[in-house]
Amino acid sequence: DAGVIQSPRHEVTEMGQEVTLRCKLISGHNSLFWYRQTMMRGLELLIYFNNNVPIDDSGMPEDRFSAKMPNASFSTLKIQPSEPRDSAVYFCASSQGRGAAQPQHFGDGTRLSIL
Amino acid sequence: GQNIDQPTEMTATEGAIVQINCTYQTSGFNGLFWYQQHAGEAPTFLSYNVLDGLEEKGRFSSFLSRSKGYSYLLLKELQMKDSASYLCAVRAEEGTYKYIFGTGTRLKVLA
Repeated sequence: DAGVIQSPRHEVTEMGQEVTLRCKLISGHNSLFWYRQTMMRGLELLIYFNNNVPIDDSGMPEDRFSAKMPNASFSTLKIQPSEPRDSAVYFCASSQGRGAAQPQHFGDGTRLSIL
Repeated sequence: GQNIDQPTEMTATEGAIVQINCTYQTSGFNGLFWYQQHAGEAPTFLSYNVLDGLEEKGRFSSFLSRSKGYSYLLLKELQMKDSASYLCAVRAEEGTYKYIFGTGTRLKVLA
């Protein structure tokens, strides 16, 4: 079975540009998580969806960040306008969302560099 | 607030045993997960504890004490490929599936 698929794997762009990160969930999973990872702050949860509905977006740093889940298998994270401090690795993870023991499965991440 | 503490770095020798500790102070507790993350790769699931005691999975074991807010990951018969970061994560809120992650422990295994 295919795992969580993220694209692009790497993105380098100039500050002020719009950045869109994409994520395809594992088939049958209904919870979706977007994380940002930096050396200083580790892995931070940005937003979490369950059954396509945003449940908790308290980790979204500011209005420049937005996330959508237009269908059960796909999500986007958009940054507009981007800033150098947004440079990080962005991970998407999914889980079955049923049962306390279900782990989250991570995609390979998008390495984002804002110049 | 929610807080998870792990040592930043550890070093051990191939073939040895290493214990990576995790302490947490969270508003609630609904399970603790350990993940392994090799440099430049995604975190991968290792173990899950929700009741006190030891869970064993091959060379890896994880222990939980809820009263002490404490867990450890035990790695036996260390191999060079075990060099990675180990992340402790707590699900603090009942009814949600989100985790709070520690900043991870970087383990170096030396020959």
